[in-house]
Amino acid sequence: DTAVSQTPKYLVTQMGNDKSIKCEQNLGHDTMYWYKQDSKKFLKIMFSYNNKELIINETVPNRFSPKSPDKAHLNLHINSLELGDSAVYFCASSQDRSDGSGADTQYFGPGTRLTVL
Amino acid sequence: AQKVTQAQTEISVVEKEDVTLDCVYETRDTTYYLFWYKQPPSGELVFLIRRNSFDEQNEISGRYSWNFQKSTSSFNFTITASQVVDSAVYFCALSEDGYNQGGKLIFGQGTELSVKP
Repeated sequence: DTAVSQTPKYLVTQMGNDKSIKCEQNLGHDTMYWYKQDSKKFLKIMFSYNNKELIINETVPNRFSPKSPDKAHLNLHINSLELGDSAVYFCASSQDRSDGSGADTQYFGPGTRLTVL
Repeated sequence: AQKVTQAQTEISVVEKEDVTLDCVYETRDTTYYLFWYKQPPSGELVFLIRRNSFDEQNEISGRYSWNFQKSTSSFNFTITASQVVDSAVYFCALSEDGYNQGGKLIFGQGTELSVKP
């Protein structure tokens, strides 16, 4: 009965490879996100999707391509991995506010630790 | 400009001490939301509280309390009678209103709290 789940939890790969991280939420939320946490623990938004539509792309390199097949899933595909991509990636989801002003409290998945060698 | 500052990088206390984690934010919006999240050593991000900009009432939840002061743009978090299980990194975050903001969270740098027995 996990609310927001991510797979895999750990991902170790070589530079130049392509990899995907999957995210699923069973909360019935409309909005999903990807955040990156660097080695200094700083958290930064990467993408925001609402009802499968991209809302925010925070100047993320186009090697990163999110895909939302439905409201409950937001996957992250990364091409040509670089050393600097090593980080913890968090998926999150939230419900839209009933007044249409934006999104509500975000609930996070357990994170995926990506290590690029 | 949106910004969240947690000036305390690390805090170390002895069990049963009270501790306050500071958070100062910057925003031009009149409607916004403030959050605190906890990241224990296991790595997940745990939601603690959400406040909107129109509600300056302080909140208490067990040993946790929050002091929101718009006049000083601060949203401080106090743990009373700290316990070893409170050891974690605590993040303050800001979300601005409006659909085009996509609900994104702007995080502070985090404060690492260490509670020693």
